[in-house]
Order: sequence, then C-alpha cells, then structure tokens
Amino acid sequence: AQKVTQAQTEISVVEKEDVTLDCVYETRDTTYYLFWYKQPPSGELVFLIRRNSFDEQNEISGRYSWNFQKSTSSFNFTITASQVVDSAVYFCALSGSYNTDKLIFGTGTRLQVFP
Amino acid sequence: DAGVIQSPRHEVTEMGQEVTLRCKPISGHNSLFWYRQTMMRGLELLIYFNNNVPIDDSGMPEDRFSAKMPNASFSTLKIQPSEPRDSAVYFCASSPPSGLSVGANVLTFGAGSRLTVL
Repeated sequence: AQKVTQAQTEISVVEKEDVTLDCVYETRDTTYYLFWYKQPPSGELVFLIRRNSFDEQNEISGRYSWNFQKSTSSFNFTITASQVVDSAVYFCALSGSYNTDKLIFGTGTRLQVFP
Repeated sequence: DAGVIQSPRHEVTEMGQEVTLRCKPISGHNSLFWYRQTMMRGLELLIYFNNNVPIDDSGMPEDRFSAKMPNASFSTLKIQPSEPRDSAVYFCASSPPSGLSVGANVLTFGAGSRLTVL
C-alpha cells in the first residue's frame, strides 16, 4: 500500500528564516512519482514539483529546493528566506508511474510566516 | 486553456436534497479525479476515471455518492440524499496521458466546490 506521512502539522517562522517541510513515503513500486502541492488561503491547489523515482538529484527553483533521498524514503522541501506570501498548506503526494495510477496525498503541513 | 472548471463554486442545501457537482477537465487530459477535503480527513480521493472509464471508486463513502463521466469533457459527482457530514470542499482534477512526459501524472486542480449541507 502507498502512504505519505507529513509529521509536521503546523510550522511557524518569522520572515527570512529558512524552513524545511518533511515528507516520508511508503511504496512497493519501483517506479513512482513524488509531488509537492501548495494550497494558499484562497483554497486552490497549486502544483510545485514532480520528481521521478529514478532521479535523485536535488532541485532548486528560486527560494525553493527539494531533497529526494530514496535510502530514507524522504522528499523534503526547503524554503529559503521565507516570505509572508509563502504562508499556505503544503502537501506532499505520491503516485505510481502509470497514467492510471492515483495520487495519494499526505495530511499537509500548515506554514505560517510572520512579518 | 481555461484550466479545470468546476461548478457551482458554493452550494448550500438542506439535508436530504440532491446535490450535483460538475467538472470540465482540461482539453486533452484523459484522467479525471474527484477529491474531497475536510479538516478531519484531509484530501481524500473519491473516484477517478481514465478515458472516461471509472478505474477506482473505493474512496466513494457510500451508495449516496455516484459519479459519471459521459464524455471526455464532462463529469458529475452526485450526492443523494445529502447529509450534514457531506459538507466539504470537493475538488476535481485532471491529468494528461502518460505519453506526454513533461506533464505525466501531474494533476491540475479546479478551484473546488464548497458544499454546505444544513
């Protein structure tokens, strides 16, 4: 069975601090995808990144970076120099590699960035 | 592209009434998903379709819930009769065929339908 665990329910930081959101997953598939989605206060779900299980290179996009480690089944998300606009709920998710595979979400981490 | 379009955005109804939520996926996407979000249970996958065929409906809570996808551009989620515990935000999402590697398995979500059952 597939499972995604986000142990941090809520994190509060002050602007400009770095923050890391943890994600641990379980799957028996050898090929799979990992995702992060952002849900700002407005409620929509916004896609941030997809990572293929064969690609363990870390990825950086502006202030965002992702650390994928198959050895620990983790796919952590770091925001550098956080800003108030980063305040949102962040979801980690997992799917198989086929188009017919479903996307399983973690319970989300609520990030609050205070000025 | 207009993205995934859901209607209505907000629905308030009384217990026992029928509720129909609608979704128009992105053109060219061949998978469609219905999720429900509540504070208690988070994001739950209710059902998903591939090429208009239901693949997995194990998340549908009970027989009061039904979903259809009569064609590639339209899906409905129906609750009959509705109950207060059905109050939630219902999201529809779609994804492209797996052959398009750039977007494979990436779900694009609609804005959601907020349902309140009194």
